[in-house]
Amino acid sequence: TQLLEQSPQFLSIQEGENLTVYCNSSSVFSSLQWYRQEPGEGPVLLVTVVTGGEVKKLKRLTFQFGDARKDSSLHITAAQPGDTGLYLCAGVGGYQKVTFGTGTKLQVIP
Amino acid sequence: EAQVTQNPRYLITVTGKKLTVTCSQNMNHEYMSWYRQDPGLGLRQIYYSMNVEVTDKGDVPEGYKVSRKEKRNFPLILESPSPNQTSLYFCASSPGHSSYNSPLHFGNGTRLTVT
Repeated sequence: TQLLEQSPQFLSIQEGENLTVYCNSSSVFSSLQWYRQEPGEGPVLLVTVVTGGEVKKLKRLTFQFGDARKDSSLHITAAQPGDTGLYLCAGVGGYQKVTFGTGTKLQVIP
Repeated sequence: EAQVTQNPRYLITVTGKKLTVTCSQNMNHEYMSWYRQDPGLGLRQIYYSMNVEVTDKGDVPEGYKVSRKEKRNFPLILESPSPNQTSLYFCASSPGHSSYNSPLHFGNGTRLTVT
């Protein structure tokens, strides 16, 4: 079974601070997806990164796929209360097998 | 509106009483999957289906059954629920075999408690 470890597990920061969430694995993935989940709802896709070393930006969020396609990071600049939620990385392998990370619960305090 | 619909949202039952959680999608997606979400463990795949009449075990299939008789429906069946199946369950779908840019669309979850 492929495992994806996310760190930190919990993060509580003040509005305006920057943060980075890490997603690490010993396995290689075809692509990696990041989702955000809010209470009472299912996860919603934020981005998919496909190429090793790829960097994608979504407003204040920057996603990077590791060169070896085993790890990824999510950096948020000037966090806002609306960024609060559970962030999940998900590695995509063969036969559309999607393996989810353990999750990072982010709280941004106004 | 494109969506994945799960029912019920909340379910409390007793050990051994068979139950079914329904899942339906209106996006003509080929791929459907069930996950359970537990604190500190993330989302773990129970079963998935690549197309009608094609189902396969995920990482934690024990104690669960599924069927895919129609493209839009993918019910999850617990023949004899036990307390360790208390969890938050999500159904998800995606367009097709190509995984690179196929996001998973999730339902809003079913919170199951087995006493």
